[in-house]
Amino acid sequence: KQEVTQIPAALSVPEGENLVLNCSFTDSAIYNLQWFRQDPGKGLTSLLLIQSSQREQTSGRLNASLDKSSGRSTLYIAASQPGDSATYLCAGIRGAGSYQLTFGKGTKLSVIP
Amino acid sequence: DTGVSQDPRHKITKRGQNVTFRCDPISEHNRLYWYRQTLGQGPEFLTYFQNEAQLEKSRLLSDRFSAERPKGSFSTLEIQRTEQGDSAMYLCASSSTAVGAADYGYTFGSGTRLTVV
Repeated sequence: KQEVTQIPAALSVPEGENLVLNCSFTDSAIYNLQWFRQDPGKGLTSLLLIQSSQREQTSGRLNASLDKSSGRSTLYIAASQPGDSATYLCAGIRGAGSYQLTFGKGTKLSVIP
Repeated sequence: DTGVSQDPRHKITKRGQNVTFRCDPISEHNRLYWYRQTLGQGPEFLTYFQNEAQLEKSRLLSDRFSAERPKGSFSTLEIQRTEQGDSAMYLCASSSTAVGAADYGYTFGSGTRLTVV
């Protein structure tokens, strides 16, 4: 069974700092990987999708990479802002014919003004 | 298309009552998923549909849970004889398997927060 670990569980940084969130899988057979943001009591907002043929994706101040050989992904946030405060979840799909996303527990980020 | 819609946003019910949630996916998405999320945890898969067919159910989906997608569009999730352990956020998501689709990612709704008292 695929298990996903996100480190750290919580992170507090001052505004303007660059930061990295980590995600690792027990099974490195990852097909697609998706990063989500979740605000308290809300649903999930998709941030970045790394498809099977890709190694990284960028959107604005966000960059996500995937190293399938080691089963690890990182989400890099540049020049953090208080509005970035949220829980960040990574989720993977194991195979091309699969459909289930397996989630980590998330990293709760607080950006201090 | 405004994305995945879920109704209601919040539901408080007494233990033993039945509840039903609705999900309207993105119209061109043929796959629809239900997930459950408890406090401090990531979402866990419950079930999914491809068009109107329910193709997989998780072991988390007990006999008290039933999901339908009668016309391959919206879906309902019903919980019968609710228990306090059913209290959670119920999330719906959709995706497309269409060839040439630019994005095979998932789009989630805002969720339905269920509280069983």
